[in-house]
Amino acid sequence: NAGVTQTPKFQVLKTGQSMTLQCAQDMNHEYMSWYRQDPGMGLRLIHYSVGAGITDQGEVPNGYNVSRSTTEDFPLRLLSAAPSQTSVYFCASSYSLQGNYGYTFGSGTRLTVV
Amino acid sequence: GENVEQHPSTLSVQEGDSAVIKCTYSDSASNYFPWYKQELGKRPQLIIDIRSNVGEKKDQRIAVTLNKTAKHFSLHITETQPEDSAVYFCAAPRGRGSTLGRLYFGRGTQLTVWP
Repeated sequence: NAGVTQTPKFQVLKTGQSMTLQCAQDMNHEYMSWYRQDPGMGLRLIHYSVGAGITDQGEVPNGYNVSRSTTEDFPLRLLSAAPSQTSVYFCASSYSLQGNYGYTFGSGTRLTVV
Repeated sequence: GENVEQHPSTLSVQEGDSAVIKCTYSDSASNYFPWYKQELGKRPQLIIDIRSNVGEKKDQRIAVTLNKTAKHFSLHITETQPEDSAVYFCAAPRGRGSTLGRLYFGRGTQLTVWP
């Protein structure tokens, strides 16, 4: 198993540009989430999904969209990049939080918006 | 207030000493409490977790304790080693039913173990 795969690993965007961060898992996990990590702020939940076709907002959803058309993929879209979105983004998946299993994280995407 | 509060934000100990990190959570329905370790430039990795039907869980030098009445849980590392130096995060879920996938993290504790 590859686990949770995130692409790209690094990205520089200009303000106003849009892009999609890719996340895929091959573990047949139901739960997938996107977090952003900023110094001193921990991991903040952007959006999450409890299964294909079901998504919901987390703590900091503004400026981001998600979709979950398949169990494997959970892309994160930045609609119009802003410098405040400069961050490290982690995708994570879990077999089932209802069954109390911890999240497996991807290796992260370091995004810089200039 | 925050969903999960974590203290301290930084912790320095001498090799061989113990380290304790504490977290409090707000949702009394939370029933699962994982701890993650993140080394510099790496992804967070699950090191131990506890479910609400137990009060303590141990795995070699690390242990987690849970007090559901007070809504707090703690990570204990004994006989610390320099390779324990990292940022540690606690987390707790919030919500019921379809919102159960929300896992909220504390802000992290930078643990430094001096040789």
